[in-house]
Amino acid sequence: SQQGEEDPQALSIQEGENATMNCSYKTSINNLQWYRQNSGRGLVHLILIRSNEREKHSGRLRVTLDTSKKSSSLLITASRAADTASYFCATDLEGGSYIPTFGRGTSLIVHP
Amino acid sequence: DVKVTQSSRYLVKRTGEKVFLECVQDMDHENMFWYRQDPGLGLRLIYFSYDVKMKEKGDIPEGYSVSREKKERFSLILESASTNQTSMYLCASLNRPGPVSYEQYFGPGTRLTVT
Repeated sequence: SQQGEEDPQALSIQEGENATMNCSYKTSINNLQWYRQNSGRGLVHLILIRSNEREKHSGRLRVTLDTSKKSSSLLITASRAADTASYFCATDLEGGSYIPTFGRGTSLIVHP
Repeated sequence: DVKVTQSSRYLVKRTGEKVFLECVQDMDHENMFWYRQDPGLGLRLIYFSYDVKMKEKGDIPEGYSVSREKKERFSLILESASTNQTSMYLCASLNRPGPVSYEQYFGPGTRLTVT
């Protein structure tokens, strides 16, 4: 079964608005990563947050991690039409393999 | 600029055919992966390799095999293609994990249709 599950499955917003996606997981992790996939393309790594970190920023991206709730959120501020894509979280388990397990993704549409 | 390439973007094969999907990375990465991606199911790991000639089964290896004869190349083989193997296939590579990065680099994908 999937380790990480993204929520919502789909999100539709207007350009300029903020987009928030969430990821919940079941067992303790070492790292959590967020990836982006444009339609019909491969995935591109966005950001990695380690289990001992609570927040990370990269440009317009802000990722938080709450290990007590086993959840993470990805915030995209001031969204652009070019942010339209699917976003996936990937987790690798504490004490387990380094190979990440991906969720089913959130499909984000940003209307110009 | 790091790069993972896949031999085909689109492929159409007939049921029962033997299908080869090739993946090449130019980053001298230790690890390589094959995933399939289906709507509503996300990415599922088929096989991975952590070194030349080494392979490990992922979550859904049935109906597939792999080959890694050279470090830069990882092949996925469908011995006898079936319609339920119609999917998007993604290859990825990863350097030896450590304190620096667990980032996977993905190829553009091969959309395989089996008729």
